[in-house]
Amino acid sequence: DQQVKQNSPSLSVQEGRISILNCDYTNSMFDYFLWYKKYPAEGPTFLISISSIKDKNEDGRFTVFLNKSAKHLSLHIVPSQPGDSAVYFCALDNAGGTSYGKLTFGQGTILTVHP
Amino acid sequence: NAGVTQTPKFQVLKTGQSMTLQCAQDMNHEYMSWYRQDPGMGLRLIHYSVGAGITDQGEVPNGYNVSRSTTEDFPLRLLSAAPSQTSVYFCASSRGQGNGYTFGSGTRLTVV
Repeated sequence: DQQVKQNSPSLSVQEGRISILNCDYTNSMFDYFLWYKKYPAEGPTFLISISSIKDKNEDGRFTVFLNKSAKHLSLHIVPSQPGDSAVYFCALDNAGGTSYGKLTFGQGTILTVHP
Repeated sequence: NAGVTQTPKFQVLKTGQSMTLQCAQDMNHEYMSWYRQDPGMGLRLIHYSVGAGITDQGEVPNGYNVSRSTTEDFPLRLLSAAPSQTSVYFCASSRGQGNGYTFGSGTRLTVV
């Protein structure tokens, strides 16, 4: 049973518009939430994160929203640029007990930004 | 600053062979992890370490061994390769929760 789901395998957006990537989780023990971006033949690159005590975190064009009651995480990219085209993974961390170092990843969403 | 270095980048093994995937980081990070990425399944945790001498199993540990004798290195050993271990393997390191994890560029392994 998957604890973390990215239900949209792909998303296509026009340059300059907003991209919204979504992630749902089932385990309330997750307390730190991260987004990664991955280009082909490269490792994932850390984008932005949020702790469970917050509901929003911004970094430039990237904003992450956390809705704990709905167990839902989203990443907003505004404005979207062609260079943002990549696979985006949400990754959840659970610091309870000895869980440091363990990330649980979603399946990924392929974002394509058209010029 | 090299970050996280993985070697080799590509490897083909025959079923039953053993090998070690190397991972080294030069950021003095305490936490290191190994993941495998398979189509449609995201990244799954194989083994992780919270410091030198301390390792633990992740979600898919069967068929793999790890050790952490130094802070810098975290090798992953395939004991007897199977076709089901064909995958892309990523090593990652971090100072701790809240700092993000830095990933290596991956090792693409094919077992025939």
